[in-house]
Amino acid sequence: DVKVTQSSRYLVKRTGEKVFLECVQDMDHENMFWYRQDPGLGLRLIYFSYDVKMKEKGDIPEGYSVSREKKERFSLILESASTNQTSMYLCASSYLRQINEKLFFGSGTQLSVL
Amino acid sequence: QKEVEQNSGPLSVPEGAIASLNCTYSDRVSQSFFWYRQYSGKSPELIMSIYSNGDKEDGRFTAQLNKASQYVSLLIRDSQPSDSATYLCAVIYTGGFKTIFGAGTRLFVKA
Repeated sequence: DVKVTQSSRYLVKRTGEKVFLECVQDMDHENMFWYRQDPGLGLRLIYFSYDVKMKEKGDIPEGYSVSREKKERFSLILESASTNQTSMYLCASSYLRQINEKLFFGSGTQLSVL
Repeated sequence: QKEVEQNSGPLSVPEGAIASLNCTYSDRVSQSFFWYRQYSGKSPELIMSIYSNGDKEDGRFTAQLNKASQYVSLLIRDSQPSDSATYLCAVIYTGGFKTIFGAGTRLFVKA
């Protein structure tokens, strides 16, 4: 089975801190994604990557950056955390860059910014 | 902005009934359509995918796609309490491969 691992299940940070969320997949997937999930808003795409060192903005990239130095690892960075970034963050991966690829999700990181 | 719309619910059905979940999308050239199920406190998992007009059945689940009406639905027959979850409609649009999600519909199946 594909495994997508997010480093932390719960995280509490202070406003202005730099925050790193890590995601690792073990099935040689090409594509990796970061979503945030908020009540009533569903999953919104922050950034995605279809190759090492490649990244593309999703629908809500403001205040975030990403890093993909190795194929299996995709990091989400909050340069200066703010309270409106309190959310559930979900990492996902998919095998190929095709239109019918399903997503495999990690277990999520619940981030609270105080 | 491409959009995927769902009724947030909650949708409540008795055990054994058919649950009908609906989704509309804004882009006529959408290519792939998915239903993900998300239990409370868990991550989404894929339950159905559909790519062409018509019905696709898998056990108690049937996905229906009507591209002319920009409408996709999920029917759950013989609903069970274990089907209680949030169901997320998702679309991949032509020219891209990123998945866009609706806000989800909460389903409660009453025993």
